[in-house]
Amino acid sequence: DAMVIQNPRYQVTQFGKPVTLSCSQTLNHNVMYWYQQKSSQAPKLLFHYYDKDFNNEADTPDNFQSRRPNTSFCFLDIRSPGLGDAAMYLCATSPGRYSTDTQYFGPGTRLTVL
Amino acid sequence: AQTVTQSQPEMSVQEAETVTLSCTYDTSESDYYLFWYKQPPSRQMILVIRQEAYKQQNATENRFSVNFQKAAKSFSLKISDSQLGDAAMYFCAYRSSLTQGGSEKLVFGKGTKLTVNP
Repeated sequence: DAMVIQNPRYQVTQFGKPVTLSCSQTLNHNVMYWYQQKSSQAPKLLFHYYDKDFNNEADTPDNFQSRRPNTSFCFLDIRSPGLGDAAMYLCATSPGRYSTDTQYFGPGTRLTVL
Repeated sequence: AQTVTQSQPEMSVQEAETVTLSCTYDTSESDYYLFWYKQPPSRQMILVIRQEAYKQQNATENRFSVNFQKAAKSFSLKISDSQLGDAAMYFCAYRSSLTQGGSEKLVFGKGTKLTVNP
């Protein structure tokens, strides 16, 4: 089945130690999104790629970076994780940028920062 | 900026009965889209139902229907004949219309955890 895959499902890192989360998709969608979902809070968009065009949300900290080497893969890099970065990170894709395009979500990676 | 509010952190319903989840939103835009997403425990979020703001008719998908009140900025989800598999976190979300120069991001509420009792 075509889907959005996130690896790993659980990631533990140490304070200040760089970490990379991975997302891949078999849907061949043009757009890939990264959301941060802290405990008991709404998911919040960090950034997205439309093809190779990177779009950062204004309030996303510089500590968060992303790479999209090809259509299928997108990575979220946290350069120096702090305790406040512990959260569920959700990857999503959509066919295009049309308002009617459904976003398809992966299962998420739960990040713990020690 | 748009905001979405789900005032019920938790709800419960008996199997086979009907439950309504509330959602209100704030926007100055006239054209937009509203969504309900379901996130089962440890599984991915999936779209339940979608409503275009320009459509007066309420969207329906099998046992799921919405009550969209544009003037009141209210978008509630009704689940009929509740099943054990409906147990999940439900998120209400807002998306601007790109034709009006809006952002394509989804703005989510904090979610409502639905428990279905056998």
